[in-house]
Amino acid sequence: DAKTTQPPSMDCAEGRAANLPCNHSTISGNEYVYWYRQIHSQGPQYIIHGLKNNETNEMASLIITEDRKSSTLILPHATLRDTAVYYCIVIEVTGNQFYFGTGTSLTVIP
Amino acid sequence: GAVVSQHPSRVICKSGTSVKIECRSLDFQATTMFWYRQFPKQSLMLMATSNEGSKATYEQGVEKDKFLINHASLTLSTLTVTSAHPEDSSFYICSAPGRPFMNTEAFFGQGTRLTVV
Repeated sequence: DAKTTQPPSMDCAEGRAANLPCNHSTISGNEYVYWYRQIHSQGPQYIIHGLKNNETNEMASLIITEDRKSSTLILPHATLRDTAVYYCIVIEVTGNQFYFGTGTSLTVIP
Repeated sequence: GAVVSQHPSRVICKSGTSVKIECRSLDFQATTMFWYRQFPKQSLMLMATSNEGSKATYEQGVEKDKFLINHASLTLSTLTVTSAHPEDSSFYICSAPGRPFMNTEAFFGQGTRLTVV
């Protein structure tokens, strides 16, 4: 599976948009981009995933560049409860075994 | 949506004893489940893949005789930490694909905090 690179930490003001980048320059054509987050001492929570088109759901938006080498997770209006470690993972359809990178620790500041 | 449940959420055991952790898929069948371990301030590390009706496959460096995995049914996988030692203290998490071999998310359990004293 492709390796991902994320900044180790980010801060965001409450109510503002949080934009979390992820580089996956070695992604292959059949690999999806998944985003999960983990709040302290809990299991990871699914946020969103996509292949090449931008995606939006009730939690977030996922913007994937045209060359698919990077993506950005957008939390449109960050709240204090969005403070967590966010993981970007690329994976093929089959298998579903996720190899987690180091993720980005997002702190939402009041 | 699909739910994966782990039990217990916390366990403290004495060094040298064994501990069993259960992972259940509550409203779907899972022929495959995955077990992860997470040490403080670190990311999740895949330990093994649990396969219903066959042997588990372990990641490199994970001792299969120490971490016994049994996937007895389509809704239950268990991880037994045998002869636990303090260095086995960690956060153990299981997951299952909601719809195998499709581009869907995996569902994670809430995790089990193991402390070996």
